[in-house]
Amino acid sequence: QVQLKESGPGLVQPSQTLSLTCTVSGFSLTSYNVHWVRQPPGKGLEWMGVIWSGGNTDYNSALKPRLSISRDTSKSQVFLTMNSLQTEDTGIYYCNRKLGAYWGQGVMVTVSS
Amino acid sequence: DVVMTQTPPSLSVAIGQSVSISCKSSQSLVASDKNTYLNWLLQSPGRSPKRLIYQVSKLDSGVPDRFSGSGSEKDFTLKISRVEAEDLGVYYCLQGTHLYTFGAGTKLELK
Repeated sequence: QVQLKESGPGLVQPSQTLSLTCTVSGFSLTSYNVHWVRQPPGKGLEWMGVIWSGGNTDYNSALKPRLSISRDTSKSQVFLTMNSLQTEDTGIYYCNRKLGAYWGQGVMVTVSS
Repeated sequence: DVVMTQTPPSLSVAIGQSVSISCKSSQSLVASDKNTYLNWLLQSPGRSPKRLIYQVSKLDSGVPDRFSGSGSEKDFTLKISRVEAEDLGVYYCLQGTHLYTFGAGTKLELK
């Protein structure tokens, strides 16, 4: 069945780089787009970016200078890298397939010294 | 960038009541392929979001027909008829015509 699971460090220091992995199963990354969405504590959802099935990427214009999404199709993994983290980057980070029915459980990232 | 204005921010409802949520876009959401990429998602308490409706009015698999979506161009509505307890949570509109933008959300609570 279709599954997505995020993993990464729970705590990142300010100004450092965040690296998250989304490991998928039940579908091929070459057939479906994978998006990243984040949610600050108690707030709404923010679309971060997408890696299309063909491998191209698009990003939220507000995050584009700091954000990179890539993948390893042989490992069924999608990677999110975001630099220059600040406290306002604290929140739950979700990966999902096509912004549809299949989402990961999310990973909580706290930016703090 | 497209701005999605969602109202109201919260709704208090009794079980069995019907409710509507509005979502207005700062730009037309009609794409070059003539489709309109306006989705509705529900985030139940403590859960990941899940899409309910895509392309304005198409229900995802397993979504009860108590949910309906309507609208065009820049003005869209989600209606829930006969609200049930499992419908409680935060509803988000999401445009997918000009990359992607979420509305701020509408929290549906029990009266």
